[in-house]
Amino acid sequence: GAVVSQHPSWVICKSGTSVKIECRSLDFQATTMFWYRQFPKQSLMLMATSNEGSKATYEQGVEKDKFLINHASLTLSTLTVTSAHPEDSSFYICSASPGSHAPQHFGDGTRLSIL
Amino acid sequence: AQSVAQPEDQVNVAEGNPLTVKCTYSVSGNPYLFWYVQYPNRGLQFLLKYITGDNLVKGSYGFEAEFNKSQTSFHLKKPSALVSDSALYFCAVRDVNYGGSQGNLIFGKGTKLSVKP
Repeated sequence: GAVVSQHPSWVICKSGTSVKIECRSLDFQATTMFWYRQFPKQSLMLMATSNEGSKATYEQGVEKDKFLINHASLTLSTLTVTSAHPEDSSFYICSASPGSHAPQHFGDGTRLSIL
Repeated sequence: AQSVAQPEDQVNVAEGNPLTVKCTYSVSGNPYLFWYVQYPNRGLQFLLKYITGDNLVKGSYGFEAEFNKSQTSFHLKKPSALVSDSALYFCAVRDVNYGGSQGNLIFGKGTKLSVKP
């Protein structure tokens, strides 16, 4: 089945550090990937839609310069949290779908903790 | 606006009993409906989906869901619950008319299922 790999699974770093999270579709190509953020005991909130070869589409309220998205190939999208601060601490999850009628498959998420 | 409602924060059932996790939706067009399960510190795992066809959809791990257009519901069910089913369950909808077939998912707030031995 379709597999989405997300790395790293856990990051702890100091305030002001930039953190890059990778999302890979292992056995299919994905022109579109999605980045979500999940706060404790809450649902997933879409941050942005990553489009291969073009600019990402950000949801309202999500800072483009804060959360840099690069989708340079059909199997890899990256999310960089720039100059991270404690309020950026959260669980970040990516997803991708192998086809128009196929369900989205999710990575295992990245737990980001900013000290 | 598209939305998904999961009215129960938590559902408690005894092992071996049937379980139902409720979900209602609101979309402007034809819905693609999904159920996902999340275990602690993990991403979401796909359980089942409804696109078209039979209203009763069978999915992974013995789960099924019934699409009811008149009630705009898509409740998740399982005839006999297992302790290992304890997890967080999310209902989601993709509005094809809004985002196309590759549109993003809109999630409910999640329902915590607790199955006791």
